[in-house]
Amino acid sequence: GAVVSQHPSRVICKSGTSVKIECRSLDFQATTMFWYRQFPKQSLMLMATSNEGSKATYEQGVEKDKFLINHASLTLSTLTVTSAHPEDSSFYICSARDASGSDYTGELFFGEGSRLTVL
Amino acid sequence: AQTVTQSQPEMSVQEAETVTLSCTYDTSESNYYLFWYKQPPSRQMILVIRQEAYKQQNATENRFSVNFQKAAKSFSLKISDSQLGDTAMYFCAFSIFGNEKLTFGTGTRLTIIP
Repeated sequence: GAVVSQHPSRVICKSGTSVKIECRSLDFQATTMFWYRQFPKQSLMLMATSNEGSKATYEQGVEKDKFLINHASLTLSTLTVTSAHPEDSSFYICSARDASGSDYTGELFFGEGSRLTVL
Repeated sequence: AQTVTQSQPEMSVQEAETVTLSCTYDTSESNYYLFWYKQPPSRQMILVIRQEAYKQQNATENRFSVNFQKAAKSFSLKISDSQLGDTAMYFCAFSIFGNEKLTFGTGTRLTIIP
């Protein structure tokens, strides 16, 4: 199956700094990627839809200036948490669809996730 | 807006037994997909099984099968001959056909007891 890779898997930063998380589709092209946030023992909440070559679409309540998304190529989307604070500590997961096949399945492939801890 | 409800926060079952995880959803759409994803302790989300709403036949993947009741908006997952590796969080999810945005349920933590 298609592989999506996230980096870093864990990051610890000081309050006020910015952190960038990368999401790569390794063996397919992804015009659309999705970023989720998951709090401990909770479900995945969609933050934004990342569109290659255009602006991301943010879900209601998600600060776009806080969570900057850049989808610069068909295989890479980045999430930058700007001026991070302890409340931004969470598990961030990206996903992408392999659109190369002729059949639409709706299946998304997920990255391994990135755990952000802000001190 | 779509909602997905999983009413069982936690379940446990003895190894080799069968377990059923419940999921209900609400939508006004007629063409959509339903999924069960597994999140083991490694946190990597893995697709377990997928069901297209227009298909009446229930999806099956080896030990995993679903009971899809469209009129009742119910989508339960049955795991047969459960194995220790099945221990994970299981999320029911929904997407509208042509739109990959997934709406997840709150999850069921399944523990397989040796």
